[in-house]
Amino acid sequence: QKEVEQDPGPLSVPEGAIVSLNCTYSNSAFQYFMWYRQYSRKGPELLMYTYSSGNKEDGRFTAQVDKSSKYISLFIRDSQPSDSATYLCAMRPGAGSYQLTFGKGTKLSVIP
Amino acid sequence: GAGVSQTPSNKVTEKGKYVELRCDPISGHTALYWYRQSLGQGPEFLIYFQGTGAADDSGLPNDRFFAVRPEGSVSTLKIQRTERGDSAVYLCASSLAGGQPQHFGDGTRLSIL
Repeated sequence: QKEVEQDPGPLSVPEGAIVSLNCTYSNSAFQYFMWYRQYSRKGPELLMYTYSSGNKEDGRFTAQVDKSSKYISLFIRDSQPSDSATYLCAMRPGAGSYQLTFGKGTKLSVIP
Repeated sequence: GAGVSQTPSNKVTEKGKYVELRCDPISGHTALYWYRQSLGQGPEFLIYFQGTGAADDSGLPNDRFFAVRPEGSVSTLKIQRTERGDSAVYLCASSLAGGQPQHFGDGTRLSIL
């Protein structure tokens, strides 16, 4: 079993839909959780950065972390064709260990 | 401002050759990271520099891989005696300090024939 599990999709939704992406993990030491967006042939772009459990909202994006269930989510409201990309979850332990462990990524297509 | 810059963007070479991949981090970022991303996978950690020193090299797969950051800014990832299995996108990231959010470049796409 990999440390971070993420359904690779592909996921296809109509424009304007609410998108839900998620990851599960097994390492209880993970404290920091991130979501990156990666367009084809580009590097990952940081979308959300959260610490421990709770919710964080930034524009159309909401990140949720449930450490008791080892489950994190990213919600995208009013999805746009420009949101079509691969979404990667990433996480790391607390202070002293800065290497990120990534999921495989979920490929999202938003259809106009 | 300028993001993380990686050169070359693409590199094709023959099995057994030596390659160098360069990363120019965001100005003022003291922490620098290398990752490797295979097709259909998430990035995998290779090495982390704080300043000039490698603070964590636990992700380097074997002794054919080596990285330096002699002046605490630009870093070079060096791969000796390349193998076909080394083909991947090599990503560099930097952060203001260790533990701060990591920002990635667009990577070097390495193909070993």
